[in-house]
Amino acid sequence: GAVVSQHPSRVICKSGTSVKIECRSLDFQATTMFWYRQFPKQSLMLMATSNEGSKATYEQGVEKDKFLINHASLTLSTLTVTSAHPEDSSFYICSAKVEAAFYGYTFGSGTRLTVV
Amino acid sequence: GQNIDQPTEMTATEGAIVQINCTYQTSGFNGLFWYQQHAGEAPTFLSYNVLDGLEEKGRFSSFLSRSKGYSYLLLKELQMKDSASYLCAVREFTGANNLFFGTGTRLTVIP
Repeated sequence: GAVVSQHPSRVICKSGTSVKIECRSLDFQATTMFWYRQFPKQSLMLMATSNEGSKATYEQGVEKDKFLINHASLTLSTLTVTSAHPEDSSFYICSAKVEAAFYGYTFGSGTRLTVV
Repeated sequence: GQNIDQPTEMTATEGAIVQINCTYQTSGFNGLFWYQQHAGEAPTFLSYNVLDGLEEKGRFSSFLSRSKGYSYLLLKELQMKDSASYLCAVREFTGANNLFFGTGTRLTVIP
């Protein structure tokens, strides 16, 4: 089945630094990638939608200059958290549309970001 | 926009049946998904409804009523490993067919 590989699974960074999270589709082409954020005991909140070769579409309230999304190829999308602060500590998950599958979407394994 | 509601927490006994409800309001409904998520892991797909009625898949069933903006997930013969969060997600008719998730229901199965 369609697999999305997400790295790193866990990262700790200092406040003010930047962190890049990668999501790779391993056996299919991911035209569209969704990026979610999940705070403890809360549900997934859609941050942005990226399409290969074009600018990402951000949800209301998500700072596009802080959360940089790049989808330069059909197999790789990245989310960079710039100038991270402790309040950015969260679980970040990517999800790709799988056109050939009736279930529609496949998720990465998530990245636990802790900013200290 | 979306307004997707689920109970926050539920507790049920091993071997029993539990029903997790989800209500939604959306401007362009294009399907409803149920996912299971264990703590610190990615969601895993359970079921998909786009037409009214019941979809059964082993111990799990999902029901949809589009006119009422209502769905439920039914879990039968509960097992301890079913303790997890259950997420209701609605897809809209947008260019990207985004998924919007409900608040999630944390289910605890007790012996």
